[in-house]
Amino acid sequence: SQTIHQWPATLVQPVGSPLSLECTVEGTSNPNLYWYRQAAGRGLQLLFYSVGIGQISSEVPQNLSASRPQDRQFILSSKKLLLSDSGFYLCAWTLGDTEAFFGQGTRLTVV
Amino acid sequence: GQNIDQPTEMTATEGAIVQINCTYQTSGFNGLFWYQQHAGEAPTFLSYNVLDGLEEKGRFSSFLSRSKGYSYLLLKELQMKDSASYLCAVNKNSWGKFQFGAGTQVVVTP
Repeated sequence: SQTIHQWPATLVQPVGSPLSLECTVEGTSNPNLYWYRQAAGRGLQLLFYSVGIGQISSEVPQNLSASRPQDRQFILSSKKLLLSDSGFYLCAWTLGDTEAFFGQGTRLTVV
Repeated sequence: GQNIDQPTEMTATEGAIVQINCTYQTSGFNGLFWYQQHAGEAPTFLSYNVLDGLEEKGRFSSFLSRSKGYSYLLLKELQMKDSASYLCAVNKNSWGKFQFGAGTQVVVTP
């Protein structure tokens, strides 16, 4: 069966520090991968999606970047965090037309 | 514009029925999905409609009208554990490019 792992679960980082969140999928090949952000009480905002290794599409201009070094690995990064980067970050995968499966999420607080 | 609209909050009593409406205007349509999200947790998949009509899965049913850009999620025999946010999402293309609504917080009272 397919599983998705996302870590860490919570993170408190100072303004200006770097960020790296990692997500891996097991049990499937060539998944489409996504990073979402959810502000408190809000819906999910799509940040990045990837349909293959090295292929990244950005949905909104921002202080973040994404990379996909391996088929089932998706990384969200920042060189210098801003206060506005705080939120709940979710990694997800699909096979295109199917429902999205989400990781457990990372609660990021920038202080 | 591209919008997915759903009510912010709904309250219902245990054992009752609640209907959550969702209207959408998106560039591209490849299916309408409903997710449940408990506070602090990731969303979990509930149901999926790609053709017009009603899909039933136990206590949950979802309806779609593509011509009207409208869907609803029906929760029957409400239980306390159904208190959660319910997210409407449109899959905009064959690559799984989802656009989510802001979610409807359902509060189930005894």
